[in-house]
Amino acid sequence: DAKTTQPNSMESNEEEPVHLPCNHSTISGTDYIHWYRQLPSQGPEYVIHGLTSNVNNRMASLAIAEDRKSSTLILHRATLRDAAVYYCILRDGGGGADGLTFGKGTHLIIQP
Amino acid sequence: NAGVTQTPKFQVLKTGQSMTLQCAQDMNHEYMSWYRQDPGMGLRLIHYSVGAGITDQGEVPNGYNVSRSTTEDFPLRLLSAAPSQTSVYFCASSRTLAGEKLFFGSGTQLSVL
Repeated sequence: DAKTTQPNSMESNEEEPVHLPCNHSTISGTDYIHWYRQLPSQGPEYVIHGLTSNVNNRMASLAIAEDRKSSTLILHRATLRDAAVYYCILRDGGGGADGLTFGKGTHLIIQP
Repeated sequence: NAGVTQTPKFQVLKTGQSMTLQCAQDMNHEYMSWYRQDPGMGLRLIHYSVGAGITDQGEVPNGYNVSRSTTEDFPLRLLSAAPSQTSVYFCASSRTLAGEKLFFGSGTQLSVL
């Protein structure tokens, strides 16, 4: 069973902010929230991750709800190169040996 | 650093043939895993390993074998290839289970005729 729920697709305009939502209502206290993206014909690449507090890096920001049951990946100024499939996954920080489950992700379309 | 290296990049097999997809990482990562990705689909976990000598099944393990004799290498074996195994295969690794990011290889595109 998927541990996260994301919209199948989203569309945005170039140079505008993009907010990609993810629901993870069954998250445990030790699960980290990770985001990856996959450009066409490439392997997935890491974007950002967090546990409880909001996080920023050069690629994006991650906003985590206070109850941790949802999160939002924020691309502050989308470019055409940000068109990709974005995956939100949970990673067990408690030492569990479960493998990682990826859903279908959100296909982000950027209009020029 | 080379990161995660997968070979070959492309492979065509006939039904019933066997082959091994290679995955190597030079980052001393304990965790390694194999995923398959079918057209228009997300990644599905095949097998994973949390260290040398330790492997476990993921969502879709049938038809695939793995072993982890060294920290660096995690080969994926198809014993008798079937057309349903036509897919793109990705290998990934990371330092530990606890909140560390995954590094992915560039993938192997496999076609089984």
